[in-house]
Amino acid sequence: NAGVTQTPKFRILKIGQSMTLQCAQDMNHNYMYWYRQDPGMGLKLIYYSVGAGITDKGEVPNGYNVSRSTTEDFPLRLELAAPSQTSVYFCAIGQGVSPLHFGNGTRLTVT
Amino acid sequence: KQEVTQIPAALSVPEGENLVLNCSFTDSAIYNLQWFRQDPGKGLTSLLLIQSSQREQTSGRLNASLDKSSGRSTLYIAASQPGDSATYLCAVFYNQGGKLIFGQGTELSVKP
Repeated sequence: NAGVTQTPKFRILKIGQSMTLQCAQDMNHNYMYWYRQDPGMGLKLIYYSVGAGITDKGEVPNGYNVSRSTTEDFPLRLELAAPSQTSVYFCAIGQGVSPLHFGNGTRLTVT
Repeated sequence: KQEVTQIPAALSVPEGENLVLNCSFTDSAIYNLQWFRQDPGKGLTSLLLIQSSQREQTSGRLNASLDKSSGRSTLYIAASQPGDSATYLCAVFYNQGGKLIFGQGTELSVKP
């Protein structure tokens, strides 16, 4: 039972490149979230999903896209990477009254 | 707009002190509120979760309270230890649509 698995752990992108951050869960939780955390800051919600086939924008969705075709997976797509997207990205899952479970994060640098 | 604010941004205390961290939120239509701990360079660990119908939750030396009507929550840490040094974040789960919003965190340093 791995909980929440994020891949990759680290990535360096050049400006304008694209990539997909993967998030997979094995806890059958309905709610999944993508956050970014800039140095010394809290977490900002990018996108979230309350179930398969349903996604919604969070606080900072510009420059990102998501899909939720299955309960288990919630990939985050970066198109045309920009230096402002340099950050640590966290995926989290939740289910009603249960505490959130977080992945270990993906550290992304765009140069 | 749904916002979550934490005060203070940073706090330094000597070992053994009792301390209070504050979290305020603008929209009282919450489902629950959670407190998390984050060590440098690490992910988040859930400390306490308070449902909207509850007033407080306790775990060891930690006690979290919730006052929905005033839009406030506090995290009380008793007899602080150097190992408590970390960033503490609160997050509010809203009824409307499942959005979960974080505050910016309080960085706590407990000096031996």
